[in-house]
Amino acid sequence: DGGITQSPKYLFRKEGQNVTLSCEQNLNHDAMYWYRQDPGQGLRLIYYSQIVNDFQKGDIAEGYSVSREKKESFPLTVTSAQKNPTAFYLCASRRRRGHTGDEQFFGPGTRLTVL
Amino acid sequence: DAKTTQPTSMDCAEGRAANLPCNHSTISGNEYVYWYRQIHSQGPQYIIHGLKNNETNEMASLIITEDRKSSTLILPHATLRDTAVYYCIVGTDTGTASKLTFGTGTRLQVTL
Repeated sequence: DGGITQSPKYLFRKEGQNVTLSCEQNLNHDAMYWYRQDPGQGLRLIYYSQIVNDFQKGDIAEGYSVSREKKESFPLTVTSAQKNPTAFYLCASRRRRGHTGDEQFFGPGTRLTVL
Repeated sequence: DAKTTQPTSMDCAEGRAANLPCNHSTISGNEYVYWYRQIHSQGPQYIIHGLKNNETNEMASLIITEDRKSSTLILPHATLRDTAVYYCIVGTDTGTASKLTFGTGTRLQVTL
């Protein structure tokens, strides 16, 4: 089945450690996104990538880094510089609909808890 | 991106139509109206989008006012599985990676 996978579903880390969240898609989509969601809040954009080897900062990029070496993969690293990393992290990819708007497909999310 | 205003929460009886309003008074001419929903602890799911005309698909209908300053998402026969947070978003299709700004949405509770 085509879709987006994120692993693991739950992740625990000690404060001060870097951690990398996985995101893989087999939908052949060019654009991919990382969002962060805090309890009771909407999604906030961390980073996005339009094509391989290219990515741009979103609204809350500080303390995060990404890479896009393959079309299928867009891993997110939460660094020790991120002051409040505990959150629900969502990865998405975008399907273009020509000139009629587009649609983002979301993965199941990774819930990161920093102890 | 234009901002949207939605009610914080709504209730709907199962089997009845759920009408979720959204105001987007500063929408630009080339911005689409998108609706997504998020069931608890899952990733958001695309529902529908439109530019000027009303739209319908297997999930819902989208009614956009003539001045495009507001819209309504209609779930014609709500079920318990439709309980979720519904996000109304406006965004452009610029030919590059579009960015969607998710607000806090409307929490729809469908009850027996």
